[in-house]
Amino acid sequence: EPEVTQTPSHQVTQMGQEVILRCVPISNHLYFYWYRQILGQKVEFLVSFYNNEISEKSEIFDDQFSVERPDGSNFTLKIRSTKLEDSAMYFCASSGGGSGNQPQHFGDGTRLSIL
Amino acid sequence: QQQVKQSPQSLIVQKGGISIINCAYENTAFDYFPWYQQFPGKGPALLIAIRPDVSEKKEGRFTISFNKSAKQFSLHIMDSQPGDSATYFCAASIGNFGNEKLTFGTGTRLTIIP
Repeated sequence: EPEVTQTPSHQVTQMGQEVILRCVPISNHLYFYWYRQILGQKVEFLVSFYNNEISEKSEIFDDQFSVERPDGSNFTLKIRSTKLEDSAMYFCASSGGGSGNQPQHFGDGTRLSIL
Repeated sequence: QQQVKQSPQSLIVQKGGISIINCAYENTAFDYFPWYQQFPGKGPALLIAIRPDVSEKKEGRFTISFNKSAKQFSLHIMDSQPGDSATYFCAASIGNFGNEKLTFGTGTRLTIIP
């Protein structure tokens, strides 16, 4: 079964540094998402992306965050200047699109630790 | 109004018993209600989902019951097994031709004991 893959599985970064989290969505999917899960808390929506532009973003997704689909397969989340509170699991998800609600398939996440 | 409230926070059920997790929502525009299962170190995996035009959906041992008037839905796991021990999240979204952000509940840590 096709799956969403994320790299790296764990990223440790000094506060203030830039970090890029990478995702390879399911190949024929059209909609891409990033979610965040702070340890022990619920999964929170960050941003959705379609047709090479952001469709929707949450209040968490401020100017420090950006997303990009640099080629036909990768989908990246960049945090420009990391803060301690950015420490969390970051999940990429993708869905097929089309009319009606489409199931979102999640990767296994990147654990981001900010020191 | 975008919140999805989930209870209980944790649940211990004996093997073979029925596990029941409840969720409630406020936004009547929500029209898709999936349940996700998450094992430690893994991403959420879609378990089962329901739309508000039906009151119940069953897939194997997993059943969603949906009460539109009460704005509540629940997951029932029949004949619970130790392998079902995981964290379960309910979620809700509004259909928007593929662009459908999920609003998650706070999660229920389910433990099945022998």
